Amino acid sequence: AQSVTQPDIHITVSEGASLELRCNYSYGATPYLFWYVQSPGQGLQLLLKYFSGDTLVQGIKGFEAEFKRSQSSFNLRKPSVHWSDAAEYFCAVDDTGTASKLTFGTGTRLQVTL
Amino acid sequence: NAGVTQTPKFRILKIGQSMTLQCTQDMNHNYMYWYRQDPGMGLKLIYYSVGAGITDKGEVPNGYNVSRSTTEDFPLRLELAAPSQTSVYFCASKRLGAEAFFGQGTRLTVV
Repeated sequence: AQSVTQPDIHITVSEGASLELRCNYSYGATPYLFWYVQSPGQGLQLLLKYFSGDTLVQGIKGFEAEFKRSQSSFNLRKPSVHWSDAAEYFCAVDDTGTASKLTFGTGTRLQVTL
Repeated sequence: NAGVTQTPKFRILKIGQSMTLQCTQDMNHNYMYWYRQDPGMGLKLIYYSVGAGITDKGEVPNGYNVSRSTTEDFPLRLELAAPSQTSVYFCASKRLGAEAFFGQGTRLTVV
């Protein structure tokens, strides 16, 4: 069974600083990978996705992520964080099986200081 | 497009009561899912459906039941509510191999 690890439970960055959120996955084949963001009291919104092809994918709100097969990683980055980016971020992997189920990491809560 | 709509948004149940969480999607997605979210635990899959009339258990199905009579609707039934079912519940829908779309969630408290 696949699994997703987000090693950082909580990260604090200053507004304008760069950001990297880590995600490692365990999956036998080439996975479909996702990053979702959740603002307080809200549902999950898709930031970006990787299915195949270019390993650097661009998403909404200036986020990007890089798929590294050798490291089983799909880290999320943003060059300059805005206060509105404060939220919880989830990495997820699709098992690409008949049920196309998503497995989520435990999330990373981002706090942005002004 | 409304996307995925969940009702109610909030609910307080007494131990032993039952309720149904409603989920409707208007994107004609075959795949639908129910997750629960607990602090620090991410999202855990309760039940899923790959099409009308087809449902299956996920990671944490105990105490829940589902049905899928139409493509649009995927209600989650809680029988004999317990404090351990206090959680935020999310419904999601998708196409095979594509991204999932989530509802706004139902915050349930069992007292």
